[in-house]
Amino acid sequence: GAVVSQHPSWVICKSGTSVKIECRSLDFQATTMFWYRQFPKQSLMLMATSNEGSKATYEQGVEKDKFLINHASLTLSTLTVTSAHPEDSSFYICSARDESSGRDFIRETQYFGPGTRLLVL
Amino acid sequence: AQKITQTQPGMFVQEKEAVTLDCTYDTSDPSYGLFWYKQPSSGEMIFLIYQGSYDQQNATEGRYSLNFQKARKSANLVISASQLGDSAMYFCAMREDHNAGGTSYGKLTFGQGTILTVHP
Repeated sequence: GAVVSQHPSWVICKSGTSVKIECRSLDFQATTMFWYRQFPKQSLMLMATSNEGSKATYEQGVEKDKFLINHASLTLSTLTVTSAHPEDSSFYICSARDESSGRDFIRETQYFGPGTRLLVL
Repeated sequence: AQKITQTQPGMFVQEKEAVTLDCTYDTSDPSYGLFWYKQPSSGEMIFLIYQGSYDQQNATEGRYSLNFQKARKSANLVISASQLGDSAMYFCAMREDHNAGGTSYGKLTFGQGTILTVHP
């Protein structure tokens, strides 16, 4: 099946630093990737839709200058948390849509990465 | 209004018994998809089952079945013969095919989740 990877799997950083999280589709091309954030015991909240070759679409209430998204290739999207603060500590999960013919075996489901746990001290 | 509602914060079931996890949704889009995901403590999202709004039959995948009642806008997950390894958080999610708009097509809206605990 399709695989999506994320790197790093966890990161601890000091307040004020920037953190970059990578999301890769390993065996398919993804023109669209999604970034979600999940606080403990809560649901996944969509932060933004990452579009290859164009600007990301952010959900209401998500600061685009704080959460920079770059989708430079068909297999890689990055999320950079700029000037991270303790309240940004969360679990960040990406997902990717496999839009190539015949690969979306469950009718356009999404493939999720394993997530990145961010702790800002 | 909540688009996806899971009213059971936690559920308990005895091993080998069946359990139903509730999910109701709200949309005016005639075309949509409903998903169930399992999230163990490791955090990974494991796809379980999918139901399309135009599907005539209820979806089934092994021990998982989806009780789709379109008029009531409910999509409950039934897990038969529960196993200890089924203990996890379960999320219901919806994809709206026309209301998403432009480049956000395919985005999922998740319910609050239900923590399932399977007792031996």
